[in-house]
Amino acid sequence: EIVLTQSPGTLSLSPGERATLSCRASQDVTKNSLAWFQQRPGQAPRLLIYDATNRATDVPGRFSGSGSGTDFTLSISRLEPEDFAVYYCQQSSHSPLTFGGGTRVEIK
Amino acid sequence: QVQLRESGPGLVKPSETLSLTCTVSGDSMTSDYWSWIRQPPGKGLEWLGLIYYNGNTNYNPSLKSRVIISLDTSKNQFSLRLRSVTAADTAMYFCTRGSGWLPDNWGQGTLVTVSS
Repeated sequence: EIVLTQSPGTLSLSPGERATLSCRASQDVTKNSLAWFQQRPGQAPRLLIYDATNRATDVPGRFSGSGSGTDFTLSISRLEPEDFAVYYCQQSSHSPLTFGGGTRVEIK
Repeated sequence: QVQLRESGPGLVKPSETLSLTCTVSGDSMTSDYWSWIRQPPGKGLEWLGLIYYNGNTNYNPSLKSRVIISLDTSKNQFSLRLRSVTAADTAMYFCTRGSGWLPDNWGQGTLVTVSS
C-alpha cells in the first residue's frame, strides 16, 4: 500500500498570501497518478488537480500542482476566503487507492 | 453532468450489515469506475472499493472481505454492503464516479452511525 504523508498538518495564512502544501509518497506514484482534493466543512471533496499537474474543470488558475515520483506539491498563489479548507492528496497508481491525512489551511 | 446520490439507513446495529445504494443520473453506467469512499467524523478519507461497468471489482484489503459492491445498470444504481459492522464503521459514506480509478465526481454523502 502506498502511504501518502502530507505536511504541514495545519497552515495558518492570511487572504492574499501564497500557500504551499506537500505530499510525499512511500513509493513511486507511477504515471504521476496523483490528485488533490479540496473539502470545505459539510461538503464532499472536490477534485482540484489530477495527474499531478492538470487542473480539473472550473478550477481557478490560482491552483497549481507540481512534482513527480514521490514528491508532490499543491500551490495556491493568492488565497481567497473560499480557499480556507482541508486539502487531501490521493494516488490512483496502485491498489488500494489511498489518501493523505490532509492539510488544513486556516485563516491566520 | 453526472450526479450521484447515496441512500440507505442512517443507523445500523453492531454486527449487522450496512447497505447503501448510489443512484446515478446523467450517465448510462456502461463505462467508467464506480467507487465507495468513507470518512469517519473529523477524520480522513478511506477508499473501500470499486466496481467497473463490466462487473469486475477491486476492494481495499483492510476490510478483510467484509465488503461487497454490486452494480445494477438497469436501475442506474450501484450498491455497498458491509457486513459485521462495529462502531469503527461509523462514517460519512460517499459514492463516486471515475473515468479511470480517479474519483472525479462525488455524491454529497450519507452519514451512517453504528450503534445499538
